[in-house]
Amino acid sequence: DTAVSQTPKYLVTQMGNDKSIKCEQNLGHDTMYWYKQDSKKFLKIMFSYNNKELIINETVPNRFSPKSPDKAHLNLHINSLELGDSAVYFCASSQDLAGNTDTQYFGPGTRLTVL
Amino acid sequence: RKEVEQDPGPFNVPEGATVAFNCTYSNSASQSFFWYRQDCRKEPKLLMSVYSSGNEDGRFTAQLNRASQYISLLIRDSKLSDSATYLCVVNFSGGYQKVTFGTGTKLQVIP
Repeated sequence: DTAVSQTPKYLVTQMGNDKSIKCEQNLGHDTMYWYKQDSKKFLKIMFSYNNKELIINETVPNRFSPKSPDKAHLNLHINSLELGDSAVYFCASSQDLAGNTDTQYFGPGTRLTVL
Repeated sequence: RKEVEQDPGPFNVPEGATVAFNCTYSNSASQSFFWYRQDCRKEPKLLMSVYSSGNEDGRFTAQLNRASQYISLLIRDSKLSDSATYLCVVNFSGGYQKVTFGTGTKLQVIP
């Protein structure tokens, strides 16, 4: 059974388009995250939600808007896509806030290419 | 100084060798530490947490040095399957949450 799933796995789109990536976890975790991993493989946290509430919001353009309809889902919507948005986006979840010793479980990633 | 720093490598070692990686962090109030492993084009997966007293899991040993603000990972008897990128993770929780990944150290175990 897939613990953290993301769709789509690959996304190729033109500059200026709006796209969404979906994430679901079936682990019963309270906290979910979005990360961006760029071409240099640097993994940077973008957002963290705990029980549907935004906890961490790093310096991310406001073209990126997370939405958490329930604690098992955290979707990422991106408006007006730019070339620099090309990266792999990982969703993750943990039982509680990452400040404690909980493991984060990552989804398989969504490889976004903006042309 | 970067918040979390790792030598990117690559570390090319023969099978059976012992290899060690360090990771330094800048926030002295950081509270929890982990090593994750990421295979090429895959997601990161937890390798082990790092406890103050040090901990061992089979061939892997992790240690924390709070005074010098670094964590280490030692791999003994390297296997070909250990080839991956090893990411160190530092968490801070004090009024706000902050999760910081290092850029990773690439290990290539050679037959």
